[in-house]
Amino acid sequence: EAQVTQNPRYLITVTGKKLTVTCSQNMNHEYMSWYRQDPGLGLRQIYYSMNVEVTDKGDVPEGYKVSRKEKRNFPLILESPSPNQTSLYFCASSFQINTEAFFGQGTRLTVV
Amino acid sequence: GQQLNQSPQSMFIQEGEDVSMNCTSSSIFNTWLWYKQDPGEGPVLLIALYKAGELTSNGRLTAQFGITRKDSFLNISASIPSDVGIYFCAGEPGAGSYQLTFGKGTKLSVIP
Repeated sequence: EAQVTQNPRYLITVTGKKLTVTCSQNMNHEYMSWYRQDPGLGLRQIYYSMNVEVTDKGDVPEGYKVSRKEKRNFPLILESPSPNQTSLYFCASSFQINTEAFFGQGTRLTVV
Repeated sequence: GQQLNQSPQSMFIQEGEDVSMNCTSSSIFNTWLWYKQDPGEGPVLLIALYKAGELTSNGRLTAQFGITRKDSFLNISASIPSDVGIYFCAGEPGAGSYQLTFGKGTKLSVIP
């Protein structure tokens, strides 16, 4: 079954404690991206990757890092989380930027 | 990134009514995508539009790519309770940009 898998689904952490949200896709997609969703602000792109070892900043990259060492995985790293990073995060993948994007189930992160 | 203005922000309609929502931008886009997000889920693609003036249907849904390439419309006919959710437009500007921009969403509520 074609899918994008994010883990964990829910996470509560403390300010400053490094965390990683994993994302994996099984469709051999080249384009992957991370979004955060906040009430009234819609989906905002954090980082995206056009292929292995090729990543670039989206609209709200501050406080986040990503890596794309393999085609299927695109982890999101928060080196020092802060409360303003409390949000719902989605990973997505597609063959190209303008083709159908498949989204993961989301990760609800709370930073206290 | 580019800004997309999506309206209305929310709608309450009676079951059976038709619905219309739109997205506008000050910049041109090469692709318009419409997604729906059910509660607790990631967005799912409804319709993709690739050419100015294009009109595409998917069941009761119809979307159009504006001829100026700066806007797009989504219509839902004869709404049913399962149409409830948040609808997002997304635009791909082309011209070497790999960044996908989402609107803030239209929250649709259907009264049975």
